Amino acid sequence: LAKTTQPISMDSYEGQEVNITCSHNNIATNDYITWYQQFPSQGPRFIIQGYKTKVTNEVASLFIPADRKSSTLSLPRVSLSDTAVYYCLVGAKMDSSYKLIFGSGTRLLVRP
Amino acid sequence: EPEVTQTPSHQVTQMGQEVILRCVPISNHLYFYWYRQILGQKVEFLVSFYNNEISEKSEIFDDQFSVERPDGSNFTLKIRSTKLEDSAMYFCASSEILGLAGEQYFGPGTRLTVT
Repeated sequence: LAKTTQPISMDSYEGQEVNITCSHNNIATNDYITWYQQFPSQGPRFIIQGYKTKVTNEVASLFIPADRKSSTLSLPRVSLSDTAVYYCLVGAKMDSSYKLIFGSGTRLLVRP
Repeated sequence: EPEVTQTPSHQVTQMGQEVILRCVPISNHLYFYWYRQILGQKVEFLVSFYNNEISEKSEIFDDQFSVERPDGSNFTLKIRSTKLEDSAMYFCASSEILGLAGEQYFGPGTRLTVT
């Protein structure tokens, strides 16, 4: 059974670096790992995407080990506006079909 | 910046009624998706759609659900006979590339309340 696991919640303070890890043991061989941010009553919003090793954009970095069974979203110097739920999204092979599976979500609270 | 739009923002219906949720994906996108999010829970994949047919669907997407692209702009999700447990936020998304090789753009969602 494909499963993605994330910590339920994390607390941080403004200016700190936050690392959120997602475990995805059944990820499809050729698929990307994507992370989304969701604010209350809004649709998820794309943060970053990667296939292997490390990817960095203007808002985050994504670290993916060689076995690709996990990934870590790194948010440098968080601010209060980064308080949100963060989801990993992976494609997984289940039986003969391909499924898009969101992680359980990590609720990040950034304190002043 | 182009965006995905969804209507209505909130739909209230009685159990057993049919509902149609509407989405207008980003105009040059070719792949479309529906997701569901029950209050307080994670986002769940329902179905992906490309070239006028379903590409993949989850076990949630049973015979009560159907999707359609009736014209060049709209993408709809129909629930034939709603149940109480269908109450959720329904998000439409679109992308240029299928699966996860491309960024999916999500709409603001439709809150469906079944009474």
